[in-house]
Amino acid sequence: QSALTQPASVSGSPGQPITISCTGTSNDVGGSNYVSWYQQHPGKAPKLMIYDVTNRPSGVSDRFSGSKSGNTASLTISGLQAEDEADYYCGSYTSSFTLYVFGSGTTVTVL
Amino acid sequence: QVQLVESGGGVVQPGRSLRLSCAASGFTLSTYSMHWVRQAPGKGLEWVAIISYDGTNKFYADSVKGRFTISRDSSKNTLYLQMNSLRTDDTAVYYCARARPYDFWSFDFWGQGTLVTVSS
Repeated sequence: QSALTQPASVSGSPGQPITISCTGTSNDVGGSNYVSWYQQHPGKAPKLMIYDVTNRPSGVSDRFSGSKSGNTASLTISGLQAEDEADYYCGSYTSSFTLYVFGSGTTVTVL
Repeated sequence: QVQLVESGGGVVQPGRSLRLSCAASGFTLSTYSMHWVRQAPGKGLEWVAIISYDGTNKFYADSVKGRFTISRDSSKNTLYLQMNSLRTDDTAVYYCARARPYDFWSFDFWGQGTLVTVSS
């Protein structure tokens, strides 16, 4: 099972919105409501930012939102802030033997 | 508050075994499904294994199937990962992670990770 496809890097200026895509197949992203997004700062553990495609855990800023269209999920950060600079990973349940697959990861840089 | 603390990592030769532990506090381990996720140095995340909340179901990534075993000790509120026949490509930081309630497949709390290095 290959990793879900994410852009290697995305950048934006403070206050601007950015969107990170996560492309899979009908076996994972396209056929699953269990799509999540994780934020990881260097040397730290990942943090859940979005679950079940669109839901935000308590305590996560409402600047983060998730969506899905077909086989592609997206994470949008509105009003980019310096502390948003991190790596972001999507993840999805998959009907393949592996059961769960993460994305390749996207480094977000705040210019 | 919820806390997960991994231990047991270290340097091990190829072919040898290692057991990782994940001590949970702030919640009862046996009421949540739990996962192991790993991250090779400078690489992305890779899901490794899940044990269901009731302990009856265990599933593994193809890359570790037949070599790794996930288990838990409810009396110690601790999750384990027994790793046998280790290979160099098992080198990674290993995280334990809790699944959200009623949702096997999103991970709401993570430990700080423990580094396993497989090298001769």
